[in-house]
Amino acid sequence: SQQGEEDPQALSIQEGENATMNCSYKTSINNLQWYRQNSGRGLVHLILIRSNEREKHSGRLRVTLDTSKKSSSLLITASRAADTASYFCAAPRDDKIIFGKGTRLHILP
Amino acid sequence: GAVVSQHPSRVICKSGTSVKIECRSLDFQATTMFWYRQFPKQSLMLMATSNEGSKATYEQGVEKDKFLINHASLTLSTLTVTSAHPEDSSFYICSAVSDRSSKPQHFGDGTRLSIL
Repeated sequence: SQQGEEDPQALSIQEGENATMNCSYKTSINNLQWYRQNSGRGLVHLILIRSNEREKHSGRLRVTLDTSKKSSSLLITASRAADTASYFCAAPRDDKIIFGKGTRLHILP
Repeated sequence: GAVVSQHPSRVICKSGTSVKIECRSLDFQATTMFWYRQFPKQSLMLMATSNEGSKATYEQGVEKDKFLINHASLTLSTLTVTSAHPEDSSFYICSAVSDRSSKPQHFGDGTRLSIL
């Protein structure tokens, strides 16, 4: 079963706008991770937020974590065409990392 | 940064052929490697966890005899799809970590397997 569930499943926005993706998970976690996947490629780790953190920034990325609601969000500010990709949240479970279904983000020129 | 190389990137072969996919960690020692399968526009489905020098741990529903995994060294794991059939066509991705804590995984670029 999946540990993370992202929404929306797909998102199209104009270049320059902000994109927000949400993730909900089921069990307690030590950290939550966000990855990006360009079409036909492997995944690239973007950011990890620990369970005792509420917000974390990395460049144009901002991740929040609400452990009481078992949810996280990824915000990409000032989107660019190169941000077009699928974004997955992932949460550790036992010795594995379980990925959500992902959000397909499309940046319109 | 940590680099994982996966080879080949694309395979097209006839039904009944066995196909081997390699996953190498180029600049770190990978105590654990993971093999995933991904269908179009779907998430990654974990197939098995591979630890150097020991047998792989397969997820429920994954056939051990169908998907042979070998992790002979700290930098190489292989996945062999035996007697592949069209339903085995998929995108296979490996990842590696340097320890078994819940640190980020480093992914290969995937292998697109097409069985005719």
